[in-house]
Amino acid sequence: GQQVMQIPQYQHVQEGEDFTTYCNSSTTLSNIQWYKQRPGGHPVFLIQLVKSGEVKKQKRLTFQFGEAKKNSSLHITATQTTDVGTYFCAGSKAAGNKLTFGGGTRVLVKP
Amino acid sequence: ETGVTQSPTHLIKTRGQQVTLRCSSQSGHNTVSWYQQALGQGPQFIFQYYREEENGRGNFPPRFSGLQFPNYSSELNVNALELDDSALYLCASSPGQGISGANVLTFGAGSRLTVL
Repeated sequence: GQQVMQIPQYQHVQEGEDFTTYCNSSTTLSNIQWYKQRPGGHPVFLIQLVKSGEVKKQKRLTFQFGEAKKNSSLHITATQTTDVGTYFCAGSKAAGNKLTFGGGTRVLVKP
Repeated sequence: ETGVTQSPTHLIKTRGQQVTLRCSSQSGHNTVSWYQQALGQGPQFIFQYYREEENGRGNFPPRFSGLQFPNYSSELNVNALELDDSALYLCASSPGQGISGANVLTFGAGSRLTVL
């Protein structure tokens, strides 16, 4: 079945630094979504990417969908303590189809 | 608009018992998905309901079953509970098929189940 892998599993970042987390799917995706889960909370939708090579920005967050639509990345610049949480990517093989989540990247920020 | 609400928020059961978890979808959403999230892991897809019918199922045994009602709310039932069923159970609603952003999920706060 479809598998979605994320690396790294943990990311310890100094406040103010940049980092990137990666997401890889075993199959070609129709779309990929990113969610953020704060400690003790539930996943909250961040963004959806649909087109091959698509790049979207949300303030300090930059999301990219690979050309082959099998991988994605999330880059955060000038990390802040509010960025603490687990970032999940989730892929779908068809629009409206189930989402398969990766294992997440747990981000800890050192002040 | 109201978000996704789940009940109960926490519950403790013993092995072999049965549990029913409830979910009210966000206003305007007609599709409900259930996910199991074990501690430190990503959400695992259990099943999805659309127009009161199961519309996709993950790798979960038949003792995991569900319902969707005409108002799009949903229930997750788990029979013969096992220790490994201890997890956060997340309900998520989405706008539904044929709509832009059809599978963008709005999650509820979850029901944390502990099986002793």
